Amino acid sequence: ETGVTQTPRHLVMGMTNKKSLKCEQHLGHNAMYWYKQSAKKPLELMFVYNFKEQTENNSVPSRFSPECPNSSHLFLHLHTLQPEDSALYLCASSQEYGNEQFFGPGTRLTVL
Amino acid sequence: AQSVTQLDSQVPVFEEAPVELRCNYSSSVSVYLFWYVQYPNQGLQLLLKYLSGSTLVKGINGFEAEFNKSQTSFHLRKPSVHISDTAEYFCAVSATYGGATNKLIFGTGTLLAVQP
Repeated sequence: ETGVTQTPRHLVMGMTNKKSLKCEQHLGHNAMYWYKQSAKKPLELMFVYNFKEQTENNSVPSRFSPECPNSSHLFLHLHTLQPEDSALYLCASSQEYGNEQFFGPGTRLTVL
Repeated sequence: AQSVTQLDSQVPVFEEAPVELRCNYSSSVSVYLFWYVQYPNQGLQLLLKYLSGSTLVKGINGFEAEFNKSQTSFHLRKPSVHISDTAEYFCAVSATYGGATNKLIFGTGTLLAVQP
C-alpha cells in the first residue's frame, strides 16, 4: 500500500470511551502531523513529530494523547472526549518539517 | 509570522466557465506556496506548488497558479471547469530562511461549486 493510510475511517464513541486513531505512511518521510478539521473552521494543526520527537503541541487538551513509536506510524489516543471534539481528523507526513505534506483520507469522529 | 487569506469562502461557477480562486499571503521572508484540493469525505491532495523559478506553475487536473511577489498573491485558475472540480480548495504557505522551512499555514478554504 502506498501513501498515507488512516484507520478507522469512521468512529463513533461515547464520552467515556477510550479509542485510538492510527496513521501509517509508506513514503519514507521524517515528519508526521495531526490536524483537526471541523465544519466552518480552518484546518487546525494539533501535533507535529519530527524524527519521532514531538516538536509541536498547539495547546491541545490532554484528552488527546499522541504517540509516535517510529517514523512510519502515528497514533492519536482519545479518552473522555466531548461532543465538540467531533470532527475529521487528518494525518499528514512530509519528507522534512515544513515541506510539502501528503495527507491521509482522515477519520470521521463522532462523539455522542 | 506568515499568514494566508482566502477572501472567497464560496465561488459558484457554471460548467465550462473559467474560474479564479484568490489567495494572498503575508510573510517577511521567502515563501513556498501550495494549493490543495479536498473532495467530499477525503483528505487533502496537492494540486500544485511554487518553490522557486518560473512564477507560473502548472498542476494536476488543468489547474495553474501564478506567484506574484509584488502583490503577495498566488491565485489559482482554470480556463474551463467541470462538475468534477466541485471541492474545497486550500491555499498554504511556508516560510523559508537560512535553508530551513517553517510549518505550513493553511487558508480557510474556498468551496468551488460548479453548476451544470
